[in-house]
Amino acid sequence: GESVGLHLPTLSVQEGDNSIINCAYSNSASDYFIWYKQESGKGPQFIIDIRSNMDKRQGQRVTVLLNKTVKHLSLQIAATQPGDSAVYFCAENPLRPSISSGSARQLTFGSGTQLTVLP
Amino acid sequence: DGGITQSPKYLFRKEGQNVTLSCEQNLNHDAMYWYRQDPGQGLRLIYYSQIVNDFQKGDIAEGYSVSREKKESFPLTVTSAQKNPTAFYLCASSTPHRANSNQPQHFGDGTRLSIL
Repeated sequence: GESVGLHLPTLSVQEGDNSIINCAYSNSASDYFIWYKQESGKGPQFIIDIRSNMDKRQGQRVTVLLNKTVKHLSLQIAATQPGDSAVYFCAENPLRPSISSGSARQLTFGSGTQLTVLP
Repeated sequence: DGGITQSPKYLFRKEGQNVTLSCEQNLNHDAMYWYRQDPGQGLRLIYYSQIVNDFQKGDIAEGYSVSREKKESFPLTVTSAQKNPTAFYLCASSTPHRANSNQPQHFGDGTRLSIL
């Protein structure tokens, strides 16, 4: 079946270094991708999103890259800080004709990568 | 501040008991969603609602029920038919889907349900 997966379940980086979190997706029909950050005991927090007609989008200290050829998504965090320690999820929105005329989007989530920032 | 409020934060269920998890949003979003998260895993969709008085089953709807009588509220009932209810439950909402536009889902801080 379709799946959204991550290459590494854990990632440790030194404070101040750049972090790269990767995500592979298998549904070539997906047109929208989102990165979320989830801290312990809290709900996922939106970080950045990208549509399939783009290959790069930048936010504050974060950049998302989309490579549709190999179905790969990455999140780059510049100058990683202790507050960046969390689980990061990618989510994709495969086109589903059953709800294409409605207001809701169904997202498929990956299992997450635990980012740990070392002092 | 606008946001999504889930209550209670922790909930315990006895054998054979139904419990209801609350989700309220003041973001004026049409669409609302319920997800289940198990340890070390991603989110799985239980139910979603595109508009008041409408809701659809997600990938793991068995043993759950919902209602959408008001735009702001989307309560989830975990019934006794759900044999493995222990999980972290997350509610989300989003603006109406529009072609070629971005509408990320925004989440509450979850309810952790455990079995006594």
